[in-house]
Amino acid sequence: DAKTTQPNSMESNEEEPVHLPCNHSTISGTDYIHWYRQLPSQGPEYVIHGLTSNVNNRMASLAIAEDRKSSTLILHRATLRDAAVYYCILRDTGGSYIPTFGRGTSLIVHP
Amino acid sequence: GEEVAQTPKHLVRGEGQKAKLYCAPIKGHSYVFWYQQVLKNEFKFLISFQNENVFDETGMPKERFSAKCLPNSPCSLEIQATKLEDSAVYFCASSQRLTGQGPNYGYTFGSGTRLTVV
Repeated sequence: DAKTTQPNSMESNEEEPVHLPCNHSTISGTDYIHWYRQLPSQGPEYVIHGLTSNVNNRMASLAIAEDRKSSTLILHRATLRDAAVYYCILRDTGGSYIPTFGRGTSLIVHP
Repeated sequence: GEEVAQTPKHLVRGEGQKAKLYCAPIKGHSYVFWYQQVLKNEFKFLISFQNENVFDETGMPKERFSAKCLPNSPCSLEIQATKLEDSAVYFCASSQRLTGQGPNYGYTFGSGTRLTVV
């Protein structure tokens, strides 16, 4: 899987939007962009994924740059329960299928 | 069920003892993966199964680690002669498919087994 780069940590206040960036400058045309998050003392949890177009689901939105070299996970209104480590992962559907987790971004949400 | 069940939640073993961890994947999921999380945020892939067959074991330390997924039984990960460095949280994940788009593409992880070797 191609490499991703994320900030080590970010902070937000409750009820405010959070934009978590991910750089993936070596992304290939067949790589999907996946986001998982790991809440304290739990296993990773699937959040969202996309290829080229922006995606929305009940948990979050995914904004993908036009050149696909970066993406942003958007939490529209952060809650204390969103405090977690967020992982951005590239998945090549035609090649390696094993999710490779980097260090992720630790999101701190202040009340 | 709709969750990946891992047991036990905590396991303490003396150095040199055997440790056995269990994982019940979601019913209908053909693929099972084991990961080891030693340091915070760092995951290491160990092994994957397609039903009862080993699919990829490139991450497995061959000497002391073994794993099985037998029909009608939870999958298991066994560590013979544990070492201090085996202390970690071991996660199991299952998936209905390996690749492709759609709602069934995601991986579902269990809550992990924390192994402490003393």
